[in-house]
Amino acid sequence: EAQVTQNPRYLITVTGKKLTVTCSQNMNHEHMSWYRQDPGLGLRQIYYSMNVEVTDKGDVPEGYKVSRKEKRNFPLILESPSPNQTSLYFCASSLSGGFVDTQYFGPGTRLTVL
Amino acid sequence: AQSVTQLDSQVPVFEEAPVELRCNYSSSVSVYLFWYVQYPNQGLQLLLKYLSGSTLVESINGFEAEFNKSQTSFHLRKPSVHISDTAEYFCAVSDPNAGNMLTFGGGTRLMVKP
Repeated sequence: EAQVTQNPRYLITVTGKKLTVTCSQNMNHEHMSWYRQDPGLGLRQIYYSMNVEVTDKGDVPEGYKVSRKEKRNFPLILESPSPNQTSLYFCASSLSGGFVDTQYFGPGTRLTVL
Repeated sequence: AQSVTQLDSQVPVFEEAPVELRCNYSSSVSVYLFWYVQYPNQGLQLLLKYLSGSTLVESINGFEAEFNKSQTSFHLRKPSVHISDTAEYFCAVSDPNAGNMLTFGGGTRLMVKP
C-alpha cells in the first residue's frame, strides 16, 4: 500500500530534550515536506526536500533541522524543543516538486513540549 | 510572500443544503490553487486543484471550485452536502515559478447537521 508513515504518532517531552520525528514514504517520491498545523493558522511549511541531500527552508524553519540521506526518509529534528513547538506535525511527499503532482500526507504527529 | 484567507472559520449547514467555502489569495501572478480536506484525526487529502485551463474544477465527490483571477478567489462549492462531508477544509496556493513553497489558509470547519 502506497503511504507516508510517521513515528511516533504522539509524543510528550520536556523543554530542551532533543527529539526526532521520522517520516518514510514507499512511493519513490522525490519531493518531501514537513508542516506544522496550529489552530486558526492552517498548515505552515517548515522544510522541504527536492531530492537526496537537497533541502531548503519553508516559512517557519527556526528551531528545526532536517536531513535527506535516503530518498524514502525525511526525519524532522528538534535539537532543543521549546513549548512554542507544541503542535501537530505532518510529513508529505509528492512525485516531483512544484505541487503539480498530488501531495500525500502522513497521519500526523502530535507533539507536546512541557 | 503569498497569503491565503479563508473568510469563515466554521460553516454550519444542514444536510442536503448547498454550501460555499470561501478562499481568497494575495498573489497577482499566476498561481496553482488547491483545496485539501482533513477528516477527524487524519492527515490531509487533496480534494481538487487548479493548475491551468478551465477555471472550473471538480472533485469526484461532488465538490467544485472556480478560479477567479480578477477577484483572486477560489471558492469551494457543493450543491447538496452529506453528513460525511463534515471535515476541515484548507485552501492552499503555490507559485509555479517558485515551485516548492505551499501556503495554506487557516482552514474552514464544515459541520453538516442532520
